[in-house]
Amino acid sequence: EVQLVESGGGLVQPGGSLRLSCAASGFTFNSYWMSWVRQAPGKGLEWVANIKQDGSEKHYVDSVKGRFTISRDNAKNSLYLQMNSLRAEDTAVYYCARDWPADRFDYWGQGTLVTVSS
Amino acid sequence: DVVMTQSPLSLPVTLGQPASISCRSSQRLVFSDGITYLNWFQQRPGQSPRRLIYKVSNRDSGVPDRFSGSGSGSDFTLKISRVEAEDVGVYYCMQATHWPPYTFGQGTKLEIK
Repeated sequence: EVQLVESGGGLVQPGGSLRLSCAASGFTFNSYWMSWVRQAPGKGLEWVANIKQDGSEKHYVDSVKGRFTISRDNAKNSLYLQMNSLRAEDTAVYYCARDWPADRFDYWGQGTLVTVSS
Repeated sequence: DVVMTQSPLSLPVTLGQPASISCRSSQRLVFSDGITYLNWFQQRPGQSPRRLIYKVSNRDSGVPDRFSGSGSGSDFTLKISRVEAEDVGVYYCMQATHWPPYTFGQGTKLEIK
């Protein structure tokens, strides 16, 4: 059974940092691109970033470029999102999701809440 | 970036009646390989999103056959043949043809009348 379990969310002050993790199981992790998708409270879905199977290619939505870094550790079947210079508008539930070649987002984690507030 | 526009944004439906959600993109979504990368997701209250349909019309495993997707170019539709109580939630379309970024529609909230 495919499972994605996020962790690392919490309350952080504006300008602070946080590192999210996503533990994957039930599939060959290093065969898939992986993505982070977020959802602000009461709002819609927004794709944040994705990373190629071997980590050699990464893409970001413009609003997080230069502040967020996506990475992965295939030996640990884990996906990460390092978030720096956090802003109030980054407050959201962050989901990890399986990307390509699964035709994008066939499996999602339960999400982890990040709250940026003083 | 490709803008995805859904309508309606709110959809009250009587149990057992059909429902239809439209999704229009600001660019045509046919990729160079000839495939249209348009997906539909359902998000029930308090739950993570769940993919229903991929590549316009392919139903995911375990998705009831009352859900169907259709369309081409820049005009797409998700149809529910007979709405059931478990279908309450928000539905999103998403394009993965012109990326980065992947872009989602605003969401359509389906409720029971």
